[in-house]
Amino acid sequence: QVQLHESGPGLVKPSETLSLTCTVSGDAINDYYWSWVRQPPGKGLEWIGYIDYRRNTNCNPSLKSRVTMSVDTSKNQFSLKLTSVTAADTAVYYCARDPGLPVNTFDIWGQGTMVTVSS
Amino acid sequence: EVVLTQSPATLSLSPGERATLSCRASQSISAYLAWYQQKPGQAPRLLIFDASNRATGIPARFSGSGSGTDFTLTISSLEPEDFAVYYCQQRSIWPPRYTFGQGTKLEI
Repeated sequence: QVQLHESGPGLVKPSETLSLTCTVSGDAINDYYWSWVRQPPGKGLEWIGYIDYRRNTNCNPSLKSRVTMSVDTSKNQFSLKLTSVTAADTAVYYCARDPGLPVNTFDIWGQGTMVTVSS
Repeated sequence: EVVLTQSPATLSLSPGERATLSCRASQSISAYLAWYQQKPGQAPRLLIFDASNRATGIPARFSGSGSGTDFTLTISSLEPEDFAVYYCQQRSIWPPRYTFGQGTKLEI
């Protein structure tokens, strides 16, 4: 079955760039929408942005100036970069798949990776 | 920008009881309304998509309804494993843009 796995540093210093990769296994990355979602400790879910295999993207307006997303179809991976991080960016980061019609929402999630912003 | 408001923030019920969770949108939205269940330390799990369609493997005791600005998740008879946090979420048609409600904690 399709699985998603997030990877990247668990600790990032303030003002630096957070970089995460999501590896998709069990299916091709084509034809779906791929998103990043985060959850600060004890808080709710926040959508960060999406990318598809054509490299179309859209981001949460509150994060847009700091977010870059990319996709590598040859590796079946997509990535997130979040610049100028602060303690407020400390969260569990999830990658998720939206298969489009008829579901049109996140049907598969990674297990999440905790990222702490601290010096 | 659509804002989703869930109520109540916390719902205290017992196994066997019926749970009704509400999600209200700040403006009328398409039926791209979904519900998720999240347990501690786990990723969210999709329960309902398109307002009223159960996702694969979701028990029949979970049902979704609503349209326009008012949506409801109903759990007909609570099982012990149903106590968790529930989120509603909306997706715009194009380009994809997702908004979550703040969550309802369903506690024993």
